[in-house]
Amino acid sequence: EAGVAQSPRYKIIEKRQSVAFWCNPISGHATLYWYQQILGQGPKLLIQFQNNGVVDDSQLPKDRFSAERLKGVDSTLKIQPAKLEDSAVYLCASSLGQGAYNSPLHFGNGTRLTVT
Amino acid sequence: QKEVEQDPGPLSVPEGAIVSLNCTYSNSAFQYFMWYRQYSRKGPELLMYTYSSGNKEDGRFTAQVDKSSKYISLFIRDSQPSDSATYLCAMSALSVTSGSRLTFGEGTQLTVNP
Repeated sequence: EAGVAQSPRYKIIEKRQSVAFWCNPISGHATLYWYQQILGQGPKLLIQFQNNGVVDDSQLPKDRFSAERLKGVDSTLKIQPAKLEDSAVYLCASSLGQGAYNSPLHFGNGTRLTVT
Repeated sequence: QKEVEQDPGPLSVPEGAIVSLNCTYSNSAFQYFMWYRQYSRKGPELLMYTYSSGNKEDGRFTAQVDKSSKYISLFIRDSQPSDSATYLCAMSALSVTSGSRLTFGEGTQLTVNP
């Protein structure tokens, strides 16, 4: 089984620039998550999709972050404009079922973003 | 106060040692408890999943939950250098406001020395 694919692996941008990350989940997984992991911290959920629809985006800074999941498969996460505090690893995860409590999350290796 | 507290370490042990990793939490609604392992520059991978209080064993790993004390533990027996990683506890409740969102601890960095 192929894992969750993310690209790019690394990205360096200047503050106020925009950036986009891409995620391809495991085939057949209905639920897709984007997490932000700041150095030395645990992952924090940004947004959760169930197929095409958004289940939870309560922790997404909507003034600068946006995400979409096209046709219930691939997803992109965008930041515009970026701030220094956005420097982090952005992790994509997918699961077969809806609940993180009963359907294991499979994580990609993340995109490491540095904002200078 | 953070919902989940985890000692970040770092923790360094000799090969073969028993390792104890712990988390405390404040949200009594948490019912589902997980441990993830994260190797350097990799995504987290699920190690153990438990529901409610009690122990669960899987090979060299034992997960323990004490809901009355709001305290969970992961024990690693006969630790190996390949166990060197960051261990993240994660918890979930089912609620109207947070759905089944996972809340992670900040992770404990473990090094097992040969």
